[in-house]
Amino acid sequence: QKEVEQNSGPLSVPEGAIASLNCTYSDRGSQSFFWYRQYSGKSPELIMFIYSNGDKEDGRFTAQLNKASQYVSLLIRDSQPSDSATYLCAVNTPRGNQFYFGTGTSLTVIP
Amino acid sequence: ETGVTQSPTHLIKTRGQQVTLRCSSQSGHNTVSWYQQALGQGPQFIFQYYREEENGRGNFPPRFSGLQFPNYSSELNVNALELDDSALYLCASSQQVRGSGNTIYFGEGSWLTVV
Repeated sequence: QKEVEQNSGPLSVPEGAIASLNCTYSDRGSQSFFWYRQYSGKSPELIMFIYSNGDKEDGRFTAQLNKASQYVSLLIRDSQPSDSATYLCAVNTPRGNQFYFGTGTSLTVIP
Repeated sequence: ETGVTQSPTHLIKTRGQQVTLRCSSQSGHNTVSWYQQALGQGPQFIFQYYREEENGRGNFPPRFSGLQFPNYSSELNVNALELDDSALYLCASSQQVRGSGNTIYFGEGSWLTVV
């Protein structure tokens, strides 16, 4: 079983719609959860992180965490073509020195 | 811009050769981690350096080695290159106290092609 699993997609949404990206993790001791965006040919850039159960909002982005279900999600509201990228879910080990990444979900926002 | 700089950005090596990749961490950060990202995959943890000591290692063979210098910059060395070592190598820096997690910020990466 992989430490972090994501649906690889591709996921396509029309411009202005809500994009929903999902991620599950295996280690119940994990405490920190991150979403990175990676444009083709570029390195990952941090979108946001979440530590506590519930929702965390930052602009058009909302991260949701459910530790009981070992589930993390990212919602992108009012999706724009510039949001087209691969989204990586990452989980920090309980020791804190290592991130496990999923394989990423490819998102395409259609104008 | 994360303030994490890596060099070189692109390089081509022959199987069996050795390569050294370099990274300067973001100002104020004392921890550097290295990740390998193969095409179509997520980044895979190679190792982390904190205060010039290795602070964890992923499932990579000993031919992958590293250093961290007093100014917190770091090197990744790979000996006896294999074709499967072709990947994007990412350096990530963070401000971390041993035993606690923190956010990591990536540099632009070094694209290594082994032929």
